[in-house]
Amino acid sequence: AQKVTQAQTEISVVEKEDVTLDCVYETRDTTYYLFWYKQPPSGELVFLIRRNSFDEQNEISGRYSWNFQKSTSSFNFTITASQVVDSAVYFCALLMEYGNKLVFGAGTILRVKS
Amino acid sequence: GAVVSQHPSRVICKSGTSVKIECRSLDFQATTMFWYRQFPKQSLMLMATSNEGSKATYEQGVEKDKFLINHASLTLSTLTVTSAHPEDSSFYICSAREAGRYEQYFGPGTRLTVT
Repeated sequence: AQKVTQAQTEISVVEKEDVTLDCVYETRDTTYYLFWYKQPPSGELVFLIRRNSFDEQNEISGRYSWNFQKSTSSFNFTITASQVVDSAVYFCALLMEYGNKLVFGAGTILRVKS
Repeated sequence: GAVVSQHPSRVICKSGTSVKIECRSLDFQATTMFWYRQFPKQSLMLMATSNEGSKATYEQGVEKDKFLINHASLTLSTLTVTSAHPEDSSFYICSAREAGRYEQYFGPGTRLTVT
């Protein structure tokens, strides 16, 4: 069975701090896709990144970076120099190669205080 | 690119009435659309998956006669909550995916309140 665990329910940081959101997944498939989505207070989920299981290269996009480690089944998300606008719920999700269904983690609430 | 709209954003209806929610992909053709329900401070719960021109596939425990889904075109899917009850009050979110792609793009959600 597939499963995504986001162990951090809520994280609070002060602006300009770096913060890492953890994501651990479980699957027996060799080909799969991992995602991060951001859900701000407005409610709309915003797609941040997709990572394929066969591509372990880490990615950086501005203040965002992602660390994919197949050996530990983790796909962690780091925000550098956090800002108040980063306050949101962040979801990690898993998709099987031939599947339709996104398996979501429980989400991590990030609060960035000024 | 990859914009999904949902209408209405908020709706209040009386118990026993039906409510229709529209989901549109604005700049791409969505061969597959998904409907989710989200309770406060919880993750998304997939209700059903629909492919254009086909009947929707409902998740276990979701009443297909109560939550009618139609995906009549490559840019439009509708969810109709029939004979709504207060326990149907929730945040409903749709998403859309283009053929050959893996990302789902989400609409802004519809807050349904049944009084």
